[in-house]
Amino acid sequence: EDQVTQSPEALRLQEGESSSLNCSYTVSGLRGLFWYRQDPGKGPEFLFTLYSAGEEKEKERLKATLTKKESFLHITAPKPEDSATYLCAVHPSNDYKLSFGAGTTVTVRA
Amino acid sequence: DAEITQSPRHKITETGRQVTLACHQTWNHNNMFWYRQDLGHGLRLIHYSYGVQDTNKGEVSDGYSVSRSNTEDLPLTLESAASSQTSVYFCASSEARVAGELFFGEGSRLTVL
Repeated sequence: EDQVTQSPEALRLQEGESSSLNCSYTVSGLRGLFWYRQDPGKGPEFLFTLYSAGEEKEKERLKATLTKKESFLHITAPKPEDSATYLCAVHPSNDYKLSFGAGTTVTVRA
Repeated sequence: DAEITQSPRHKITETGRQVTLACHQTWNHNNMFWYRQDLGHGLRLIHYSYGVQDTNKGEVSDGYSVSRSNTEDLPLTLESAASSQTSVYFCASSEARVAGELFFGEGSRLTVL
């Protein structure tokens, strides 16, 4: 069965304190891995797609990387506006649907 | 700007009642999805549609139904609401059938008493 595990569940950072979120997955073949951002009371918002090990994507203070078993979302010098829940999802090659992780809730204090 | 809207945003109902959650998108996407989100769980797929008159069951479809009579709308119906269906429901659409880049609505919070 496909599994997506995100860690930690919650992360509290001081403004400017860089850190990383982890998304580990077990799937029978990976078609793509996706990162989303979700603000309280809102729907998830697409951030990145990664397709193969070694691939990296960047957007402002966020950088996503992918290995054969996990993905990291690095937050560099975070600001309070980076506070959100970050969701990881995988698309296995043998299935039509995405499998989502439970998310990491990031709080950045000024 | 194109968007996807859900209504109602909040609803309280009683066990056994029929409930319909509306989803309307102006992206002109053929592919639409319904998810539920519960604490400690990831988003779980309820039903999805690849076009008009097409509907398919997701991983948690029991007790739910959908219909697709036009491109813009995919209403989700709970035939007989149960307390286990208390959740936040998200509608999403995508351009590609094999959907990784989803556009989500803002969610409908349903409480079943």
